[in-house]
Amino acid sequence: SQQGEEDPQALSIQEGENATMNCSYKTSINNLQWYRQNSGRGLVHLILIRSNEREKHSGRLRVTLDTSKKSSSLLITASRAADTASYFCATDPQGGSEKLVFGKGTKLTVNP
Amino acid sequence: EAGVVQSPRYKIIEKKQPVAFWCNPISGHNTLYWYLQNLGQGPELLIRYENEEAVDDSQLPKDRFSAERLKGVDSTLKIQPAELGDSAVYLCASSPRNTGELFFGEGSRLTVL
Repeated sequence: SQQGEEDPQALSIQEGENATMNCSYKTSINNLQWYRQNSGRGLVHLILIRSNEREKHSGRLRVTLDTSKKSSSLLITASRAADTASYFCATDPQGGSEKLVFGKGTKLTVNP
Repeated sequence: EAGVVQSPRYKIIEKKQPVAFWCNPISGHNTLYWYLQNLGQGPELLIRYENEEAVDDSQLPKDRFSAERLKGVDSTLKIQPAELGDSAVYLCASSPRNTGELFFGEGSRLTVL
């Protein structure tokens, strides 16, 4: 079963614009992670935010976490064609299972 | 530092045939995962190893799937016999203890005809 649900399922923007993707989940978590997957490739870890953190930055990426709403957002600023990929959120549920649960992903297309 | 290595990258077989996938994790990573990814979906965990011990195989269809991690390093995932519905990408990932971040291989894409 998949806990995280990304929204939107697909997003198409122009180069230079910002891209925002959202993730909602169902149960309490230890942390939430975002991964990127280029077509036909493996997943690459982007950022991890712990349940006691509200916002985190890494380069052009900004992640927020609202545990009261059980939601997170990933913002990519000044997007580039190379950002075209699928983006997945993954949650580490509380309870000691140590099992990351991935959502279905958002497919981002950045048009040059 | 070498990443997670998987082989083969692509495999086409007929149904009822056996198939095996191999994974070499990043050196020093104690935890190894096999994930299944269907088209347009996120990865779903099949099995997780801590060293050579399978600590979570609750999602592994044990009637046809098997896995092993000898000496706590390389791992093999086998399907016998394969069914049409097994067509998917099989991803291997590893992680150092307690960091949370997973490092993925490029995946093995299986097509069952």
